[in-house]
Amino acid sequence: ETGVTQSPTHLIKTRGQQVTLRCSSQSGHNTVSWYQQALGQGPQFIFQYYREEENGRGNFPPRFSGLQFPNYSSELNVNALELDDSALYLCASSPSLARNTGELFFGEGSRLTVL
Amino acid sequence: DAKTTQPTSMDCAEGRAANLPCNHSTISGNEYVYWYRQIHSQGPQYIIHGLKNNETNEMASLIITEDRKSSTLILPHATLRDTAVYYCIVRAHNAGNMLTFGGGTRLMVKP
Repeated sequence: ETGVTQSPTHLIKTRGQQVTLRCSSQSGHNTVSWYQQALGQGPQFIFQYYREEENGRGNFPPRFSGLQFPNYSSELNVNALELDDSALYLCASSPSLARNTGELFFGEGSRLTVL
Repeated sequence: DAKTTQPTSMDCAEGRAANLPCNHSTISGNEYVYWYRQIHSQGPQYIIHGLKNNETNEMASLIITEDRKSSTLILPHATLRDTAVYYCIVRAHNAGNMLTFGGGTRLMVKP
């Protein structure tokens, strides 16, 4: 069974640039969510995708957007990067939304630094 | 989701039981208590969850008070590898993948 994998593991961008982070969900999981974790804080929910559509969103501006593909992999896109976007971005997957038990499987994250 | 309150940090001796408390006094009837942990440089890892009965699995035990306003996660024989930040989360069963993490408790297991 393949776990949740994310890429890249680390990256550096400058303010105003755009970034795309990628996530492959665990085998058999069709629900994917993204979290932002600033240094020293708990993860904050950005949004989740189910059957290729956004299905819930946290308190993040529209410049945070995402995609889910037919194979359930996902992308997180952030436009017009700001210094405060520097964080660890975590992807989590779970089985079908209808059977969701709250047990999420997280990847190791992508650490973004904005200079 | 209801808010939770946890101590910022705790120490535990290796081989002893680690008891991590959590207050969730505003929990609703349809909300479960979840525990996750995050070892340094890794993503969060699910530990256990429960509604009102005590639960046990291969990792830990979860004790929920009768009024459901607080709970305790018990690691029966803590090892150095249990050093991590432990998050107590309350979540409605139909909340999908949305978990509201607080600051958690930083558990340091010492030799």
